[in-house]
Amino acid sequence: DTAVSQTPKYLVTQMGNDKSIKCEQNLGHDTMYWYKQDSKKFLKIMFSYNNKELIINETVPNRFSPKSPDKAHLNLHINSLELGDSAVYFCASSQGLAGQETQYFGPGTRLLVL
Amino acid sequence: AQSVTQPDIHITVSEGASLELRCNYSYGATPYLFWYVQSPGQGLQLLLKYFSGDTLVQGIKGFEAEFKRSQSSFNLRKPSVHWSDAAEYFCAVGVSYSGGGADGLTFGKGTHLIIQP
Repeated sequence: DTAVSQTPKYLVTQMGNDKSIKCEQNLGHDTMYWYKQDSKKFLKIMFSYNNKELIINETVPNRFSPKSPDKAHLNLHINSLELGDSAVYFCASSQGLAGQETQYFGPGTRLLVL
Repeated sequence: AQSVTQPDIHITVSEGASLELRCNYSYGATPYLFWYVQSPGQGLQLLLKYFSGDTLVQGIKGFEAEFKRSQSSFNLRKPSVHWSDAAEYFCAVGVSYSGGGADGLTFGKGTHLIIQP
């Protein structure tokens, strides 16, 4: 069984559309994250959720809204997509809150905005 | 604010040769340090991590890393690389954003490893 899964794997869409990416983890972890990897492979954290509460939001535009229906799921909704949103989005999870916890990453969702 | 520097964007190594990937960090407290590997089109896989104790840590796939506080470094090494090691390697520092709370990773910009036959 896949520990952290994301759907879809690929997403091609037009500017201005609204889209969602889903993430599920079956590890029983308390904390989930979204990261963005740009075209230069730079990874930057976007959000962290612990037990369905937002912990951090790293200067991400409010067009991006994470939603966590339960602690096993953290979905990312993006409104009014822009060209600059094209990137690979990774979901991750960890047990607990402390900075030393290992984060387990999903396979990524490759978003292309045309 | 914390930061991670991987000074080598690309490294080319012959198969069977030894490898060292450099990582320097900047963080005010005791760092939690990680190395992740990303194969083409894949997610990130943890190679090894350092929290405390022995400064030489062993990881998967024959990798090891040494934490040197005086140099603020956490370099990754492997004595003999295989063609399957070709990938992107990321060093990261784990930080707490609030009162012991979470817990994003700050990544370096990655080092692209090329293996020559």
